[in-house]
Amino acid sequence: GEDVEQSLFLSVREGDSSVINCTYTDSSSTYLYWYKQEPGAGLQLLTYIFSNMDMKQDQRLTVLLNKKDKHLSLRIADTQTGDSAIYFCAEDGSSYKLIFGSGTRLLVRP
Amino acid sequence: EAQVTQNPRYLITVTGKKLTVTCSQNMNHEYMSWYRQDPGLGLRQIYYSMNVEVTDKGDVPEGYKVSRKEKRNFPLILESPSPNQTSLYFCASSLSQASYGYTFGSGTRLTVV
Repeated sequence: GEDVEQSLFLSVREGDSSVINCTYTDSSSTYLYWYKQEPGAGLQLLTYIFSNMDMKQDQRLTVLLNKKDKHLSLRIADTQTGDSAIYFCAEDGSSYKLIFGSGTRLLVRP
Repeated sequence: EAQVTQNPRYLITVTGKKLTVTCSQNMNHEYMSWYRQDPGLGLRQIYYSMNVEVTDKGDVPEGYKVSRKEKRNFPLILESPSPNQTSLYFCASSLSQASYGYTFGSGTRLTVV
């Protein structure tokens, strides 16, 4: 079945890089997404990658896709305290829906 | 401003008392969807709609109803809420299913006692 898995928690020091990992099962996904959820807020689309790409860079964000291993990662360079949030990995699933992971809570320590 | 608006943001209700959570988008999007977010489970789709008068069940539709009489509105109806429907609910819309992600509302935190 369709499933997306993420680690639950990551703690980094301010200024370091953060890497959040995700594995997915549906190899037919067209796009894979990273969403950010700040406390009390909705989900904000951070970035996405087309399934035939290996890498996408957008300012401090780098997305790496290993399609063979069905592994997606999000690297945040120079992590700031404002990056503290829950990050969700998602893929296009069947039946017109996004399949979400359970979210990784990123804590940035000063 | 392009957005998805949900109301109310917070709601506490009692078991069995019918309620409606409204969702409206101003982007002329065809596709709309409802998700619920529970700790450790991520977001799960409740219902979706591909266009006016076209709705279908998602992964967890039990206990919910929806309607799509107009393109901009997609209300979520709980005819007889139960405590297991206590959750954080999100409405989302997209130009089409193949769009680059969806626009989410700010969420509705529902507590059923």
